[in-house]
Amino acid sequence: EIVLTQSPGALFLSPGERATLSCRASQTINNNFLAWYQQKPGQSPRLLMYGASERASGIPDRFSGTGSGTDFTLTISRLEPEDFAVYYCQQYDRSPLTFGGGTKVEIK
Amino acid sequence: QVHLQESGPGLVKPSETLSLTCTVSGGSVSGYFWTWIRQPAGKGLEWIGRIYSSGIPNYNPSLKGRVAMSLDTSKNQVSLNLTSVTAADTAVYFCARDTLRYFNWSPYAPWGQGTLVIVSS
Repeated sequence: EIVLTQSPGALFLSPGERATLSCRASQTINNNFLAWYQQKPGQSPRLLMYGASERASGIPDRFSGTGSGTDFTLTISRLEPEDFAVYYCQQYDRSPLTFGGGTKVEIK
Repeated sequence: QVHLQESGPGLVKPSETLSLTCTVSGGSVSGYFWTWIRQPAGKGLEWIGRIYSSGIPNYNPSLKGRVAMSLDTSKNQVSLNLTSVTAADTAVYFCARDTLRYFNWSPYAPWGQGTLVIVSS
């Protein structure tokens, strides 16, 4: 199975700062079938990005995704108070689908 | 707008079977893959498996044959059974739908709110 390693495990930033989250795959992810989700406490994950770089419906343009192959990045250009949450990457290239361990973006 | 709601017992005894239902409202189950994902408290997400509206399932091998999913198109419901549960199966269980209809692999949206299942005697 494809193992996804997210780094860092936690990111301490202030509102207005830039957040850069990494997701590295143990094998090449074909077709850029890599998604990012945001999860807040007590809520289900919300789809942010798919196809590595496409924003899901209703997602603001301060969120962007890049990468291909085995290395992917989610960038939040200027953190808003509502962006402090846990972020997961997920590959949907092949079964079993897998998620990264998550990066928690916390207020400094 | 499609809405997913998980339901089932919140407490299951060790060695017994965990049974959950995901009820879909505001849309049809037809043409989509329906997935179960779980999340132990304070931990990450684990893909349990999925089932297509035709009834063809695809499970995570890590669950070693303990999982079975089914779909009732007349009731717009997706079901999950997990047998021989242990404390390690304690988690919030989510159902989710593929974003794309008639597509083999796509990410998940929407998700249900999740239901907590505790395995304990």
